[in-house]
Amino acid sequence: EVQVVESGGGLVQPGGSLRLSCAASGFTFSNYEMNWVRQAPGKGLEWVSYISSSGSSIYYADSVKGRFTISRDNAYNSLYLQMNSLRAEDTAVYYCARAVVMRYFDYWGQGTLVTVSS
Amino acid sequence: QSVLTQPPSVSAAPGQKVTISCSGSSSTIGSNYVSWYQQLPGTAPKLLIYENNKRPSGIPDRFSGSKSGTSATLGITGLQTGDEADYYCGAWDSSLSTGWVFGGGTKLTVL
Repeated sequence: EVQVVESGGGLVQPGGSLRLSCAASGFTFSNYEMNWVRQAPGKGLEWVSYISSSGSSIYYADSVKGRFTISRDNAYNSLYLQMNSLRAEDTAVYYCARAVVMRYFDYWGQGTLVTVSS
Repeated sequence: QSVLTQPPSVSAAPGQKVTISCSGSSSTIGSNYVSWYQQLPGTAPKLLIYENNKRPSGIPDRFSGSKSGTSATLGITGLQTGDEADYYCGAWDSSLSTGWVFGGGTKLTVL
């Protein structure tokens, strides 16, 4: 069974940092592109970042460019999101999502909540 | 302001049919596949339609998708109360601002 499970969310002060993790199982992780998608409270979905199966190609939404870094470790079937210089507007549930040739997201995790507040 | 435009809400009675539109541009829907996601209250999004009109295993044929030019449509027939959810369209954006884009979401109410 395909599973992606996020962890690492929590409460952080503005300007602080947090690292999210996504543990994948049930499929050959190194064959798939992965993404982070977030959803602010009561708002819609917002794509955050993409990483290719090998990690050689990476894209970011303009709203997080220069502050967030996506990475993966195919040996450990894991995806990461390093978030620095966090702002109140980064408060959201962050989802890890498996992509198929960036045509669609076929599996989503349950999400991890990040709250940026003093 | 989302790159893809959806109506904020739609409603219909049980058993009826509803359509949800998604309008984009030549760099999004016009040149890439569209997918649709269903998000039930308090849960993660779930893939409903992929590559414009295909249904993943387990998705009933009451759900359908179509695309024409720079617009796409999700159709749901035989509405059930369990279909009450938020629905999002999504597509890759091939413009200079490369990345994935979602619509703002449509809240479906089954009256």
